[in-house]
Amino acid sequence: EIVMTQSPATLSVSPGERATLSCRASQSVSVNLAWYQQKPGQGPRLLIYGASTRATGIPARFSGSGSGTEFTLTISSLQSEDLAIYYCQQYNNWPGTFGQGTKVEIK
Amino acid sequence: EVQLVESGGGLIQPGGSLRLSCAASGFNVSNNYMSWVRQAPGKGLEWVSVIYSDGTTYYADSVKGRFTISRDNSKNTLYLQMNSLRAEDTAVYYCARDWSSSGWFDSWGQGTLVTVSS
Repeated sequence: EIVMTQSPATLSVSPGERATLSCRASQSVSVNLAWYQQKPGQGPRLLIYGASTRATGIPARFSGSGSGTEFTLTISSLQSEDLAIYYCQQYNNWPGTFGQGTKVEIK
Repeated sequence: EVQLVESGGGLIQPGGSLRLSCAASGFNVSNNYMSWVRQAPGKGLEWVSVIYSDGTTYYADSVKGRFTISRDNSKNTLYLQMNSLRAEDTAVYYCARDWSSSGWFDSWGQGTLVTVSS
């Protein structure tokens, strides 16, 4: 089973600033990597798939990059509504596995 | 609009059984890969089970032999029958759609809480 490690555990960012979240896989997953946003009391929401393709309706301030074992989710200009926990998921190997999440706080 | 609504969660004693339902609208469950994913309190996400459009099913090792995924095409509903429940099965259970059949989930429900405790 592939282990996904996210860092940092918590990220405090001021509104309008850039937020950079990292995700590392224990072995290569090519570009088979998705990012989800989960707000309190809600189910996850797909942001990115294929490491860099934004899902339908996702604002352009969210972008994904990386391949192999190192991936990044960038929020270019943090908005107050971006307060959430962000999870990465690899789907290159069965079963798909998730990282433990990065909590984004508004500074 | 795609919508998934889970129900059936609750408090159950260890060793008991529970059946979760996920009512879908805006698409046909029979034509999609549908999964259950759970989240223990304060923890991350864990994939539990999948049913493919051809009816093939797979399970996480942690639930194999105890949980059964199924669907009712006439009701457009996904199910998860959970038997021999353990304390470590306590979690919010989400149903999720894998529209592309690639392994990522484009739509999720709001979840239903299962608490296994005496």
